[in-house]
Amino acid sequence: NAGVTQTPKFQVLKTGQSMTLQCAQDMNHEYMSWYRQDPGMGLRLIHYSVGAGITDQGEVPNGYNVSRSTTEDFPLRLLSAAPSQTSVYFCASSYSPGQRKEKLFFGSGTQLSVL
Amino acid sequence: AQTVTQSQPEMSVQEAETVTLSCTYDTSESDYYLFWYKQPPSRQMILVIRQEAYKQQNATENRFSVNFQKAAKSFSLKISDSQLGDAAMYFCAYRAHSGAGSYQLTFGKGTKLSVIP
Repeated sequence: NAGVTQTPKFQVLKTGQSMTLQCAQDMNHEYMSWYRQDPGMGLRLIHYSVGAGITDQGEVPNGYNVSRSTTEDFPLRLLSAAPSQTSVYFCASSYSPGQRKEKLFFGSGTQLSVL
Repeated sequence: AQTVTQSQPEMSVQEAETVTLSCTYDTSESDYYLFWYKQPPSRQMILVIRQEAYKQQNATENRFSVNFQKAAKSFSLKISDSQLGDAAMYFCAYRAHSGAGSYQLTFGKGTKLSVIP
C-alpha cells in the first residue's frame, strides 16, 4: 500500500535554480493537490487538480507550476527558486471532494531550503 | 474567504488527563466539513476526526471527541486519557461541501500539545 509518494524528502537549492517535486498516488484518486507549510502557519494550498489535464490555482500559486498528464502523477515545478519558497511541501490526494465520505491522503512531505 | 482560528499556540496536559483544544471558524456556507489533523514530529499529517456540518451529533473516535457548535462557529477537540503519543501539533481545518471552496482545506495555525509524564 504505497498511498501518496513524494520525492525527494529533502532538497537544498540555490536562488534561481529550478526543480520539480514529484508526487504519485496509486489509489486512482481524481483529486490531487499541493500545500506548503511554513513555521507558525497551517498548510496553504498552492495548486490542485481534479483530473488529468485539469489544474487550478489555490491560495498561494505564485512561483509554482503544475501539470497533470496522468491520474497518478502531479509534479510541482519551481522555475526560479527564491528564499521565500523555503518550506515543507505536502502532496495530498482523494476521491472527488463532492463525495461525503472522501478522505484526503497526505504524502510524507518534502523539506525544501532555498539559499 | 473562510478563516480558521486556533487561539492556543501551545497547550500541555498531564498523562491520563483530559485536554480541550479550541478552534473557531468563519464561513457564510451552511454545509461544510471540519477536521482535526495531528502532525507528530515525523511530519506526517494524520486525520484525527471529521465533522459534517449538517449532522447535529458530535463526532467521536475512541479517545477523541469534538464539541461542534454550529451557531457559534466553534469546533473544539477533546482528548481523553491523554497518552505520550498524543504529543504533536494539532491543526483544525475547514472545507466547503460544494463549489470552488470544496477543493481547498483551510487550516488554522495549529496548537502544539505537550504531554507530561
